[in-house]
Amino acid sequence: DGGITQSPKYLFRKEGQNVTLSCEQNLNHDAMYWYRQDPGQGLRLIYYSQIVNDFQKGDIAEGYSVSREKKESFPLTVTSAQKNPTAFYLCASSEKHSTDTQYFGPGTRLTVL
Amino acid sequence: QKEVEQNSGPLSVPEGAIASLNCTYSDRGSQSFFWYRQYSGKSPELIMSIYSNGDKEDGRFTAQLNKASQYVSLLIRDSQPSDSATYLCAVALSGSARQLTFGSGTQLTVLP
Repeated sequence: DGGITQSPKYLFRKEGQNVTLSCEQNLNHDAMYWYRQDPGQGLRLIYYSQIVNDFQKGDIAEGYSVSREKKESFPLTVTSAQKNPTAFYLCASSEKHSTDTQYFGPGTRLTVL
Repeated sequence: QKEVEQNSGPLSVPEGAIASLNCTYSDRGSQSFFWYRQYSGKSPELIMSIYSNGDKEDGRFTAQLNKASQYVSLLIRDSQPSDSATYLCAVALSGSARQLTFGSGTQLTVLP
């Protein structure tokens, strides 16, 4: 099956810890994206990557980091510098950045204890 | 002013009625428009995309785009309880980044 997978589904973190969220796709898409969603709100862009070994900050990149070493993978690290990390994190991909249509993975719900 | 605005709702319609969801955007150069459906606790799924002025129909769904007035709408005919979800409008703003900007969503409840 082609698609986007995210793991884990639920993640609990203690304050001061870094955590890494996984996102993998087998759609052969060039572009990948990370969004954050807070209750009752829309999606806000954290980072995006148009090609391997290249990525750009989105609207709310502070406290987050990413890498894009493989076309299929775009992991997101939530660092201890992120002041309010509890949220629903969504990974998406599109065939190319210019084609706009994005498809989403199932999401990771992060809770800081 | 928010770049993409939607009425947050909740919007309630009886089963079998037409549900009308609206979205306005601020960037006149926007070229691509999307409607996503998001069930509670789940990720968004694409319903429709629209790029040209006018109507685009897909089954019970019709997207309407009016670039002069800067709005895009989604009509759901013969609404079903399974249509109860939050509907997100997304707009690809003009410029080289071509990022999608999402509205905050409209919560729809279809009453049996």
